[in-house]
Formats: sequence, C-alpha cells, structure tokens
Amino acid sequence: DIVMTQSLLSLPVSPGGPASISCRASQSLLHRNGNVYMNWYLQKPGQSPHLLIYMGSIRASGVPDRFSGSGSGTDFTLKISRVEAEDVGIYYCMQGLQTPYTFGQGTKLEIK
Amino acid sequence: VQLVESGGGLVQPGGSLRISCEVSGFTFDMYWMTWVRQAPGKGLEWVANIKEDGREKNYVDAVKGRFTISRDNAKDSLYLQMNNLRADDTAVYFCAREVVGAKGVLESWGQGTLVTVSS
Repeated sequence: DIVMTQSLLSLPVSPGGPASISCRASQSLLHRNGNVYMNWYLQKPGQSPHLLIYMGSIRASGVPDRFSGSGSGTDFTLKISRVEAEDVGIYYCMQGLQTPYTFGQGTKLEIK
Repeated sequence: VQLVESGGGLVQPGGSLRISCEVSGFTFDMYWMTWVRQAPGKGLEWVANIKEDGREKNYVDAVKGRFTISRDNAKDSLYLQMNNLRADDTAVYFCAREVVGAKGVLESWGQGTLVTVSS
C-alpha cells in the first residue's frame, strides 16, 4: 500500500498570512498517462470532507484561487496564499493512483 | 447532487449491519462510488469502491472478507454490508462519488452515518 505522510499535525497561522502543508508519498504518484493522482481535502469542524485540489494542482469547482497545489512524484504541497477564518479545519492529502486509496494523517490548520 | 447515508447504529461485536447511501441529482450509474470511514477523533480511511455497473470492487485489507460493497442502480443506492464487526470498525461512514475518468477523486460526499460496535 502507498503510505501518505503529512509531517505537520498542527499549523497555527495568522489571519491574512500564508500557509503551506506538505505531504509525501511512499512511491511516485505519477501514472504512465502523465496524470499525478494526488488530491487534497478539507474537513471543516463538524462537517464532511470536501475536495479542494485534484490531480496535484487542479482546483475543484468553487474553491477560491488562494488555494494552490503543486508537486510531482512523491512530494506535494498545498498552499494558501492568504488564510481566512473559514479555512480552519483538517487538511488531508490522498493518493488515488492505486487501491487501497490512502490518506495522510491530516494537518490541522488553526488561526493564531 | 445529494448523498444521504442511513442505517448506522449500535451493534455488538461479531454482529452485522448494512448501511445505505441514497443519491439524487445525478445519473448514479455513470459513477464509481466509494465508502470512507472516520473513527472518533481520528483521520479518514478509504474502505471500498465499486464500478458503475457493480462488476469491479476494491477493499482495504482491514475489511476484506467481512464487508461487501454493492449498488442498485435502479434504486440510485449504494450499500455496505458489514459482517463480523469489531470494535475498531466503530466510525462515521461516508459515501462519496468519484469524478468520471479520475478514480480516487471524491468530489461529492454525504453527511455520514455512525456505526458503533460495542457490547
């Protein structure tokens, strides 16, 4: 199974400041079709998770452009250019290259 | 798009339970569907998925041989039959729809149903 590792479990950020969340996969998520099967989800307090970024860098419908995803192979980053209060929650990376799909442990973003 | 899970509850260790996910607002038989679970206070764990026509299914090792994913496209419904339940199966179970042509991209989620395994 592919192991997804989010090294930061908690990330305090000042409002308006940038945030960066990293995720490492135990093997490359690059498919032979050229796609990178790396997704990011946000679970706000008391809610179901929702999709933020897929294929490494494509924002899901309705996701503000302050969110961006980057990376290739095994190392990926989710960036928030200017954190807002509504961004608090737990951010999960997830690989969709092969089943079983696997999630990282989650990084909890908090406002200072 | 709506996904509504139901059927959760309290069950004894070794018991069985079937949870359901009824969908609306989209053409169900065009999508792979997935179950994801979240133990209390813990992270997300992918459990199983099923192809549009039900002919291909995948499971995480922890539930293989105990859980069965299925669907009824005529009823726009997804199911998870859970047998020989253990305490560590206690979790909120979410159903989710995968993006067409992009397996593993879970674009719509239900609100979840809580399964508690305890004596």
